[in-house]
Amino acid sequence: GQNIDQPTEMTATEGAIVQINCTYQTSGFNGLFWYQQHAGEAPTFLSYNVLDGLEEKGRFSSFLSRSKGYSYLLLKELQMKDSASYLCLQLEGLLTGGGNKLTFGTGTQLKVEL
Amino acid sequence: ETGVTQTPRHLVMGMTNKKSLKCEQHLGHNAMYWYKQSAKKPLELMFVYNFKEQTENNSVPSRFSPECPNSSHLFLHLHTLQPEDSALYLCASSQGTSGGGITDTQYFGPGTRLTVL
Repeated sequence: GQNIDQPTEMTATEGAIVQINCTYQTSGFNGLFWYQQHAGEAPTFLSYNVLDGLEEKGRFSSFLSRSKGYSYLLLKELQMKDSASYLCLQLEGLLTGGGNKLTFGTGTQLKVEL
Repeated sequence: ETGVTQTPRHLVMGMTNKKSLKCEQHLGHNAMYWYKQSAKKPLELMFVYNFKEQTENNSVPSRFSPECPNSSHLFLHLHTLQPEDSALYLCASSQGTSGGGITDTQYFGPGTRLTVL
């Protein structure tokens, strides 16, 4: 079943900062990804967190708290081209048979306005 | 350009047709994936090939049949599909691990928009 929770939609103003939250179930956690997907296009990789803390990449930062099962993606100096869907993905280790399971959230549709 | 290409980009087929989707990666990766993306639903992982061995099959109907002849190419053979199979089919690749599983960053192709009439 679905165990990733993120808001469906968000709206923000050009030049502003927006934080997109994601919560997940903590059992077997092996990492968390953020992807960006523009309408009609393939997802593109933004960040990967496996340890607690903040990872910064230019205008994009991603934070992880493993004890809380919580991550956020922070977008600074928003631009119109940042209007897209932002997907939170959890990597879980499987207890039986080894390997990992990748679970996607439904995505947060961000709309950047003037 | 992500280094992962998919053909065709758009496909319309009847329920009795047989067609194939093709994916090719130019990144030197060893793992390839098929995903289905339906409107307003999360991406669904369909198949995983790691070092040309199928390691995941998340209860996908048999009317979808994958083929991985080498680490650079992945096919999805389609036959007797249903209208609810209409979706965006995405291929991805990653470095892959000799121990199997999904542990690393995936790079996606542009997808094939499939419509089943």
